[in-house]
Amino acid sequence: ETGVTQTPRHLVMGMTNKKSLKCEQHLGHNAMYWYKQSAKKPLELMFVYNFKEQTENNSVPSRFSPECPNSSHLFLHLHTLQPEDSALYLCASSQEGQGFEQYFGPGTRLTVT
Amino acid sequence: EDKVVQSPLSLVVHEGDTVTLNCSYEVTNFRSLLWYKQEKKAPTFLFMLTSSGIEKKSGRLSSILDKKELFSILNITATQTGDSAVYLCAAPGGYQGGSEKLVFGKGTKLTVNP
Repeated sequence: ETGVTQTPRHLVMGMTNKKSLKCEQHLGHNAMYWYKQSAKKPLELMFVYNFKEQTENNSVPSRFSPECPNSSHLFLHLHTLQPEDSALYLCASSQEGQGFEQYFGPGTRLTVT
Repeated sequence: EDKVVQSPLSLVVHEGDTVTLNCSYEVTNFRSLLWYKQEKKAPTFLFMLTSSGIEKKSGRLSSILDKKELFSILNITATQTGDSAVYLCAAPGGYQGGSEKLVFGKGTKLTVNP
């Protein structure tokens, strides 16, 4: 059984499209994260959810909208994106109070045309 | 088992002091070492180090990696109260349950007093 899964693995969308990225964790964790990784740049933390409550929003543009319906699922809704939003979007989870280890999903490679 | 060990676990200094934080690591298939600063819930990225002996610098912060001795240091010069935070060192570890694990150290809690 995999720990953190993400779908789709690849996504190509136009600037006027609306799409959603999905993340699911099977590790019983209570915190989930969205990261953005652009080419030749380090991981950028976008959103943090702890017990389904958003606790961090690192000045992310409103065209990215997260949703956490329960502690196992996390979505990232996308609309009217820009070409510079093309990147690898990684989801991670961790168990708060048991160190800082974060388990990452395989990522969604997003291309905005 | 992959592990990252930081020292000291806590440090209290006065403004203007220079501090050195230590991080040693044992990970399989080492690729990079990362430093983060955590003031609230989530860590903010500081540096990523992949090559030995090349100093990364950002303002008063600098960091260097020694891949032979398996450690890294983070230096902060002329500390300010705003530098008070937990500083985390992390390295990508192996795969578990199909997911890549980012192994963090326990962090060094730095308190800078006026």
